[in-house]
Amino acid sequence: GAGVSQSPRYKVAKRGQDVALRCDPISGHVSLFWYQQALGQGPEFLTYFQNEAQLDKSGLPSDRFFAERPEGSVSTLKIQRTQQEDSAVYLCASSLAAGLRGGSNQPQHFGDGTRLSIL
Amino acid sequence: ILNVEQSPQSLHVQEGDSTNFTCSFPSSNFYALHWYRWETAKSPEALFVMTLNGDEKKKGRISATLNTKEGYSYLYIKGSQPEDSATYLCAFPGMLTFGGGTRLMVKP
Repeated sequence: GAGVSQSPRYKVAKRGQDVALRCDPISGHVSLFWYQQALGQGPEFLTYFQNEAQLDKSGLPSDRFFAERPEGSVSTLKIQRTQQEDSAVYLCASSLAAGLRGGSNQPQHFGDGTRLSIL
Repeated sequence: ILNVEQSPQSLHVQEGDSTNFTCSFPSSNFYALHWYRWETAKSPEALFVMTLNGDEKKKGRISATLNTKEGYSYLYIKGSQPEDSATYLCAFPGMLTFGGGTRLMVKP
């Protein structure tokens, strides 16, 4: 597709359930980022992939959060044993650039996000 | 983590007004600054990538300037329209560190 695609758009889960959020980046984009946006806040960085390698996961809030990009394209963000504080919009972005700083001139292209609500 | 701050947090203007808001950042180790526009229920859209001190970029009625020595960038909107209502975010590239954003509401 022409843009970054995320699915599902909305996800409601009961506390304690596991969820999986999918991101299809723009074809050929090397870098892929996940962000979490709580209500009324700006997006907060979660993790970064360069191709299939997860180079930075410093923003993942706990070991319940896990992300993968096994073939360097589609990425999945998994949250185990969800808690109410996990309720947020999860944004995925991709960039043509490689490296956190090497592509300063390349903007990130965002998906529409997945709105996760934990009951 | 490099701190990026934006002001004001929110802004209400009348249609036709021109407006501007500020992104402040530490001037050391500057690489580039990105501006994004984020409309409700949509994903952030890249507006500008600012790299050089003194950069001035324009897209329609929206323009941005950059001062890396003093650590700020301004975003200007000339003749605001209701469709300009959105949150405007500035961020460092790569592992984006967003400012809190400026929420602009333009009243018809």
